Amino acid sequence: NAGVTQTPKFRILKIGQSMTLQCAQDMNHNYMYWYRQDPGMGLKLIYYSVGAGITDKGEVPNGYNVSRSTTEDFPLRLELAAPSQTSVYFCASRHLGSGANVLTFGAGSRLTVL
Amino acid sequence: DQQVKQNSPSLSVQEGRISILNCDYTNSMFDYFLWYKKYPAEGPTFLISISSIKDKNEDGRFTVFLNKSAKHLSLHIVPSQPGDSAVYFCALYTGNQFYFGTGTSLTVIP
Repeated sequence: NAGVTQTPKFRILKIGQSMTLQCAQDMNHNYMYWYRQDPGMGLKLIYYSVGAGITDKGEVPNGYNVSRSTTEDFPLRLELAAPSQTSVYFCASRHLGSGANVLTFGAGSRLTVL
Repeated sequence: DQQVKQNSPSLSVQEGRISILNCDYTNSMFDYFLWYKKYPAEGPTFLISISSIKDKNEDGRFTVFLNKSAKHLSLHIVPSQPGDSAVYFCALYTGNQFYFGTGTSLTVIP
């Protein structure tokens, strides 16, 4: 099992450019999440999804968009990149069910906006 | 506002001794409390959790304690090993969302 796969691992963007961070999981998990981690800070929730076709905002959604057309994929779109979006982005998933309050994370995508 | 706080950014412990990592929270609404471990350039990995109806959970060298009246969560690692050196995040779960602390960097000195 690959678990949660994120691409790319590293990316440098210029201010105003757009890009999509890809996230795929092969565990048939219902729930998927996008977090960002800034230096010295905890993980902040950007968006999450409880199933295909359903998405919800987290704590810091501004400047981002998501879609969930399949159970497996949960891409994060950055429109008009800004230096404040320089961060490490983590995708995570979990299964719906008793005792399933555990997130499985991808390895992260490090984004720098210059 | 910061609902979950880990007030110690770093901790150094001798190999074989006990490591105690702490986490404080401000809201009583959480259902589950978890600890994650993170190595550099990797995603966080689940370590241990506890339900809000319990006050202690053990898994090998790792024990999590929950004091609901004090709104305090702690992780004990005993004996500590050099491979335990990592950043540890507490995470609190309610309503499909997880709220993370800022992390404590643990260094276990051989």
